[in-house]
Amino acid sequence: AQSVTQPDIHITVSEGASLELRCNYSYGATPYLFWYVQSPGQGLQLLLKYFSGDTLVQGIKGFEAEFKRSQSSFNLRKPSVHWSDAAEYFCAVGASGGSYIPTFGRGTSLIVHP
Amino acid sequence: DGGITQSPKYLFRKEGQNVTLSCEQNLNHDAMYWYRQDPGQGLRLIYYSQIVNDFQKGDIAEGYSVSREKKESFPLTVTSAQKNPTAFYLCASSLSPGQTYEQYFGPGTRLTVT
Repeated sequence: AQSVTQPDIHITVSEGASLELRCNYSYGATPYLFWYVQSPGQGLQLLLKYFSGDTLVQGIKGFEAEFKRSQSSFNLRKPSVHWSDAAEYFCAVGASGGSYIPTFGRGTSLIVHP
Repeated sequence: DGGITQSPKYLFRKEGQNVTLSCEQNLNHDAMYWYRQDPGQGLRLIYYSQIVNDFQKGDIAEGYSVSREKKESFPLTVTSAQKNPTAFYLCASSLSPGQTYEQYFGPGTRLTVT
């Protein structure tokens, strides 16, 4: 069974600073990987996904993520954070075979200081 | 505009009453899901459906029931047997079962039971 760990419950950054949110997964084969963002009281929105190919994936809102098989990681990055990026971020992993239900991490809450 | 709608946004019920949360999608997706979200616990899968008239229990199905009579609709009933029903409920859909496609989420329903 697949699993996802987001080690950081909260991350605080200053506006304009760079950001990296960590995601580690456990899955035997090549996983399908996702990052979602959730604003308070709202549903989740897909930021980006990795299925195969180029391990550096570009997403919406200026986010990118890099798949590193050797580290079982799929960290989310943004070079310059805006106050509107304050939200909850979820990493998810899906199996490329078998059960198609993705597993979500517990989320990382991003706080942006002016 | 395609998407998922959930209604109502806020729902209040007395303990001992059953309550049904609505979820409708016009994305022509085959698969639909219900998640429960509690602070610090990420998303937990309640039920999912791959096709009309078929659904499977997720990780926390006890005290909940669903139906899938139409492709577009996947209502969730929170029964009086659910010990701690106060939570934020999210409905999602994805293109097809059999592969881990990205999920599209509704805006959520916040249920408060007193």
